[in-house]
Amino acid sequence: QSALTQPASVSGSPGQSITISCTGTSSDIGGYDFVSWYQQHPGKAPKLMIYEVTNRPSGVSNRFSGSKSGNTASLTISGLQAEDEADYYCSSYTSNRGVFGGGTKLTVL
Amino acid sequence: QVHLVESGGGVVQPGRSLRLSCAASGFTFSSYGMHWVRQAPGKGLEWVAVIWYDGSNKYYADSVKGRFTISRDNSKNTLFLHMDSLRAEDTAVYYCASQGHWGQGTLVTVSS
Repeated sequence: QSALTQPASVSGSPGQSITISCTGTSSDIGGYDFVSWYQQHPGKAPKLMIYEVTNRPSGVSNRFSGSKSGNTASLTISGLQAEDEADYYCSSYTSNRGVFGGGTKLTVL
Repeated sequence: QVHLVESGGGVVQPGRSLRLSCAASGFTFSSYGMHWVRQAPGKGLEWVAVIWYDGSNKYYADSVKGRFTISRDNSKNTLFLHMDSLRAEDTAVYYCASQGHWGQGTLVTVSS
């Protein structure tokens, strides 16, 4: 059960857009439309930002969007704000199990 | 709204056992699968186990298979994780999760 691959860190200035990638295989990301993205601030529980590749839960800003192409999923945050600085994790369903990416630290410059 | 509250964490010696609980409210507990996810200090998220809505199927990460047992009591809206043969590498905050909702976690520290 290998973890999904994310960049360790990304950064951007307020107002800019950034994209975080999450690469898996045909057994996880490529095989199912069950990719989720979570935001985690220090000392806090993860918060669901995107589910089933592209869907936003109620209350999540439309600045957050998700997509998928082949075995790679992506989270895009537009109009970066200071409060977006956090760790972001992707996850996918695979063979009756879950798998997470290693996490990406987003720094808002 | 959905509310998940974990309990049962603490300091335990290597090789010993511990049982975590997760009390659920705000949704029809018996209709949804439930997960345990853990996060070692300073590390990323690791999926641990899942149990189907009716308890009929259970799946585990390779790292805990044979040592951890997930179960649920739908009459009490409670999820459990029984952890045996604990190791130092099991030290983590353990979260229960369902439908994208997470509890606040309970810390398990395995140390002599």
